[in-house]
Amino acid sequence: QKEVEQDPGPLSVPEGAIVSLNCTYSNSAFQYFMWYRQYSRKGPELLMYTYSSGNKEDGRFTAQVDKSSKYISLFIRDSQPSDSATYLCAMSRGGGYNKLIFGAGTRLAVHP
Amino acid sequence: KAGVTQTPRYLIKTRGQQVTLSCSPISGHRSVSWYQQTPGQGLQFLFEYFSETQRNKGNFPGRFSGRQFSNSRSEMNVSTLELGDSALYLCASSLVVVVPWDYLNTGELFFGEGSRLTVL
Repeated sequence: QKEVEQDPGPLSVPEGAIVSLNCTYSNSAFQYFMWYRQYSRKGPELLMYTYSSGNKEDGRFTAQVDKSSKYISLFIRDSQPSDSATYLCAMSRGGGYNKLIFGAGTRLAVHP
Repeated sequence: KAGVTQTPRYLIKTRGQQVTLSCSPISGHRSVSWYQQTPGQGLQFLFEYFSETQRNKGNFPGRFSGRQFSNSRSEMNVSTLELGDSALYLCASSLVVVVPWDYLNTGELFFGEGSRLTVL
């Protein structure tokens, strides 16, 4: 079993839809949770960064972390064609360790 | 503020050769990490450097090595290339908080565009 599980999709939604992306994990030591967006043939771009449990909102994006369930989510409101990309969840123990464990990535397509 | 810069962006090598990839972190970032991305395995951690010292290492063979310079720039080297080494190699930098007993990562990693290596 992988430490971080993420449905690879693909996920196809119409423009304007609310998108929900999720990851589950098994290591309770993870304290930092991130979502990255990666366009084709580009490096991952940090979208959301959360420490421990709770919600964080940034524009159309909301990240949620539920450490008790070992479950994290990313919501995208009013999705746009420009949101079409692969979304990767990542997490780490933090402290002196900067090793990120990534999910497989979910490929999202937003069609007009 | 310039982002993480990686060179070269693309390169083609043959089996048995070696390759060196370079990474310049964001100004002020002192921790540099390297990741390998392949369609089959996804993103996998290679190693992390801080203060010119390797702090963490992933589960890769000894053919993969790296180093960090005093200006925080980093290089990674892969020797005796194999076909399976074909991948996107990503460098990431992050801020650190230096504490009396060591250093603490903020957890935010910023990635470069990567170096795409093809081994024939």
